[in-house]
Parts: sequence; C-alpha cells; structure tokens
Amino acid sequence: KQEVTQIPAALSVPEGENLVLNCSFTDSAIYNLQWFRQDPGKGLTSLLLIQSSQREQTSGRLNASLDKSSGRSTLYIAASQPGDSATYLCAGPSNDYKLSFGAGTTVTVRA
Amino acid sequence: DTAVSQTPKYLVTQMGNDKSIKCEQNLGHDTMYWYKQDSKKFLKIMFSYNNKELIINETVPNRFSPKSPDKAHLNLHINSLELGDSAVYFCASSQDAFGVREQYFGPGTRLTVT
Repeated sequence: KQEVTQIPAALSVPEGENLVLNCSFTDSAIYNLQWFRQDPGKGLTSLLLIQSSQREQTSGRLNASLDKSSGRSTLYIAASQPGDSATYLCAGPSNDYKLSFGAGTTVTVRA
Repeated sequence: DTAVSQTPKYLVTQMGNDKSIKCEQNLGHDTMYWYKQDSKKFLKIMFSYNNKELIINETVPNRFSPKSPDKAHLNLHINSLELGDSAVYFCASSQDAFGVREQYFGPGTRLTVT
C-alpha cells in the first residue's frame, strides 16, 4: 500500500518568496503523482500530474519534480502571492490503482 | 459548466436517518469515485465505479451503498446514519480506472450528523 507523507504540515512565507512543498511516498513503483490545491470549504483542484517517465512538469509559476529512486516529489511555487494561500495535497496510486493522499501542507502567504 | 457537481453541498441530519448524496460529471469520464475527508483532513477512497461497475470497495460499513445509474452519475446512499459519519464526502472522476490519468473532484458535501 502506498503511504504518502507531507512535511511540514503548515508553512507561512512573506509575499514574493518561493515556496517549496515536499511529498514523500513509500512505493517507488509509483507511476505518477498528482498535486492538488484545496481552499477552505472547497473541493480539490488538480494542479499538476507528473508521470513516472517525467522528471518535471511545469504550469505557469508551478513546477513539480518527481524522483522515484528517493521516493520524493517537490512542488515549487515561484514568487508566491496571497492568493496562493491554501492547502496543497499530493497523491500517488498504489498497485491496486487506489490513490493515496498525503495530509497536506497548509500554506499562508503574508502580504 | 461545472465538471463534477455534487448535491447537496451541506447536509445536516439526525442519527438513524437515511440520506443520499448525488454526483454528476460532464467530462465524459468512465470512472467515478467517492472519497471521505475526515476532521483531520485525511482523504480516503471509499468506492470506485468504471462504466457503472463497482471496481473498488474499500472497508466501508454496509450502511454505505453507492449506485451508478449511468457513467455520468454516481450516488451515495447512507443508511442509519451515525455520529462518526460526519465528514466531507467528495466525488471525483477520471478517464481511466488505473490511476494513470488525472482525477477531477467535486466541491464536496459536508455531512453533519447530530
């Protein structure tokens, strides 16, 4: 079973600083990893899906990397803005096709 | 043109009641899911349907019964509600059943059992 961990649980940065969010997984046979954003009281918004054959995936100010050998994925958010404040979750499938989620990192960007 | 929609958004009910949550997706996806997010924000899969057939059934009490009348709809019926059922329930959909493609989530249904 895939176990997904996100550390830290919370992060507070001043506006303009780059954000680095970490995600660790136990099963290196992972074939993709998905990053989501969740705003308070809202559903999850898919940000990036990075396949195991890719090392990086980019969308605007977001960049996700995947290192299967170390069991890690990192989400970088460049030049953070107050609107980036949210909880960020990562999720990866296990070999029974079920998606396992981390507990999330709650980000606060201070204006 | 919401991709994945759920109704109701909020549901407050008493213990012992039976309730249903409805989900619809207009993405043309073959696979739909129900997830539960508890008070500690952990998201856990409950069920998955592919082309109206149940393919994932996690260890969930029998009081929870999903129903998929067609590929675009997946409803969740809960019998004899208990306090511990209070949570946010999310519906999601995907093009495939193997976790290869992205999953798209609905806005959630916050269930409160009193």
